[in-house]
Amino acid sequence: EAGVAQSPRYKIIEKRQSVAFWCNPISGHATLYWYQQILGQGPKLLIQFQNNGVVDDSQLPKDRFSAERLKGVDSTLKIQPAKLEDSAVYLCASSLGGEYNEQFFGPGTRLTVL
Amino acid sequence: QKEVEQNSGPLSVPEGAIASLNCTYSDRGSQSFFWYRQYSGKSPELIMSIYSNGDKEDGRFTAQLNKASQYVSLLIRDSQPSDSATYLCAVTPDTDKLIFGTGTRLQVFP
Repeated sequence: EAGVAQSPRYKIIEKRQSVAFWCNPISGHATLYWYQQILGQGPKLLIQFQNNGVVDDSQLPKDRFSAERLKGVDSTLKIQPAKLEDSAVYLCASSLGGEYNEQFFGPGTRLTVL
Repeated sequence: QKEVEQNSGPLSVPEGAIASLNCTYSDRGSQSFFWYRQYSGKSPELIMSIYSNGDKEDGRFTAQLNKASQYVSLLIRDSQPSDSATYLCAVTPDTDKLIFGTGTRLQVFP
């Protein structure tokens, strides 16, 4: 079974530029998550989708971050404009959802904002 | 504020010893508990999940849950240098949402 796919793996941009990340979840997983992980910290949830609907985006900085999950499969996360403090690893995870909620992570995208 | 607390470490143990990693959580209503292993520069990998009080064993790993005391632990028996990583505790206070601790760095020396 293929795992969660993400691209790109690395991205370096200047502040105020825009960037987009792509995620393809495990086949059949209805729930998709985007996390931000800053060095030395645990992952922090940015947004959660159930199929193509948003379940939780309470921690998403909506003035600069946006995400969509068209057709309930792939998802993109966009940052526009980027700030220095956005430098982090952006992780996508997916799960079957429901009571037991085992989440499986993709390899992540390491973003550096200069 | 729903929190998950872990000692950041590093926890250093000799090869072959038992490594004990601990985690406490603030939301008494939490239902699901997970341990993830994260190697440097890699993404978190799920290694254990536990949902009811008591012990759950999987190979060299044992997860222990005590909901009354609001703690969950991970024991690694016969520790190997390849177990050296950061171990993240994660808790589900609400259905589907995971709250992560900051992780404990484990070092296993030969």
